[in-house]
Amino acid sequence: SQQGEEDPQALSIQEGENATMNCSYKTSINNLQWYRQNSGRGLVHLILIRSNEREKHSGRLRVTLDTSKKSSSLLITASRAADTASYFCATDGSSNTGKLIFGQGTTLQVKP
Amino acid sequence: DAGVIQSPRHEVTEMGQEVTLRCKPISGHNSLFWYRQTMMRGLELLIYFNNNVPIDDSGMPEDRFSAKMPNASFSTLKIQPSEPRDSAVYFCASSYRVNYNEQFFGPGTRLTVL
Repeated sequence: SQQGEEDPQALSIQEGENATMNCSYKTSINNLQWYRQNSGRGLVHLILIRSNEREKHSGRLRVTLDTSKKSSSLLITASRAADTASYFCATDGSSNTGKLIFGQGTTLQVKP
Repeated sequence: DAGVIQSPRHEVTEMGQEVTLRCKPISGHNSLFWYRQTMMRGLELLIYFNNNVPIDDSGMPEDRFSAKMPNASFSTLKIQPSEPRDSAVYFCASSYRVNYNEQFFGPGTRLTVL
């Protein structure tokens, strides 16, 4: 079973609004990553946050990590129609093998 | 850099036929991963290699599935015999482990077994 669980499963917003997606996981981690998948394409890495970090920014993306609650959130500010995609969190389960465990994903639709 | 290359991009075959999916990882990456994605089960890790050696194949559904990595620049995933329930998108990804395990995905192979 997947370690990461995203919430909500689907999200629909208007262009310009902010989108927040949440991820919960079960075991200790070294880092947590977020990926985006456009329809019919492979996953693309967005951002990585280490277990000793609480917040990280990259452009319009803001990721938070709460290791005490084993949860993370991804905020996309000022959303655009091009942000329409599925978003996945992935954890390494504190292994050093390179293996990642992906959640089920949140499908985001941004309406123009 | 061309990124991770997968072939074919689409494969339609009949039940019972052998299917071979191919992957060329990014040069210099030493980890390679095979995933399967379906609507019902999401993204599943099938097998992964470090330095061409299979590390964990616990996600391989059954003996009909096999994977090889004969060298650092090539890997195959074979299904023999194929079944309709194998229909899915198969992704290959590679990473350079010391870079905090960020994975780079290929475009995927969409497999349809009739």
